[in-house]
Amino acid sequence: KNEVEQSPQNLTAQEGEFITINCSYSVGISALHWLQQHPGGGIVSLFMLSSGKKKHGRLIATINIQEKHSSLHITASHPRDSAVYICAVEGNTDKLIFGTGTRLQVFP
Amino acid sequence: NAGVMQNPRHLVRRRGQEARLRCSPMKGHSHVYWYRQLPEEGLKFMVYLQKENIIDESGMPKERFSAEFPKEGPSILRIQQVVRGDSAAYFCASSPQVRGSGNTIYFGEGSWLTVV
Repeated sequence: KNEVEQSPQNLTAQEGEFITINCSYSVGISALHWLQQHPGGGIVSLFMLSSGKKKHGRLIATINIQEKHSSLHITASHPRDSAVYICAVEGNTDKLIFGTGTRLQVFP
Repeated sequence: NAGVMQNPRHLVRRRGQEARLRCSPMKGHSHVYWYRQLPEEGLKFMVYLQKENIIDESGMPKERFSAEFPKEGPSILRIQQVVRGDSAAYFCASSPQVRGSGNTIYFGEGSWLTVV
């Protein structure tokens, strides 16, 4: 079993829909990251969380440390949100452990 | 303040050749990480370096792969005698302090290696 599990693996949505991507992890962490990767492109850090909730524009990220679970929400989704969203955790060591990503496609 | 700079963006090598990937961290960052993304797979940690030191290389293949971060200049990931299975995207990331303190990490655009 992977240390970081994401669901769903693939997600399609109509423009305007509310989207949720989930991440569960099985290790102790100091922080959790949500990353965005466009096809053939680089990786952008969206959020770094150690507790609670963060909001940036239409993106919201939450984390429940006790349940070892985080969610990334996108409100009023848009085709330009189409990308792979990756959850990654930092444990006690200095490296990130990544989920396999959620491929999101938003159609107009 | 330029971001993490990687070059080349795309590299094609024949089997048996050497590949050198370079990463210049963000200004003021002294910690560099290399990650590999194989086709249709997730990202995997390779190596963590500070200036002139390898801190953790637990993700590096035992043979053909090496990394350095000299006092001057970029970090370099070197792959000798490349094989087709080395074809992947190699991402560099940098941070100003040890990751455990929770500082945001910044990724480069990646270097796509294709071995033919």
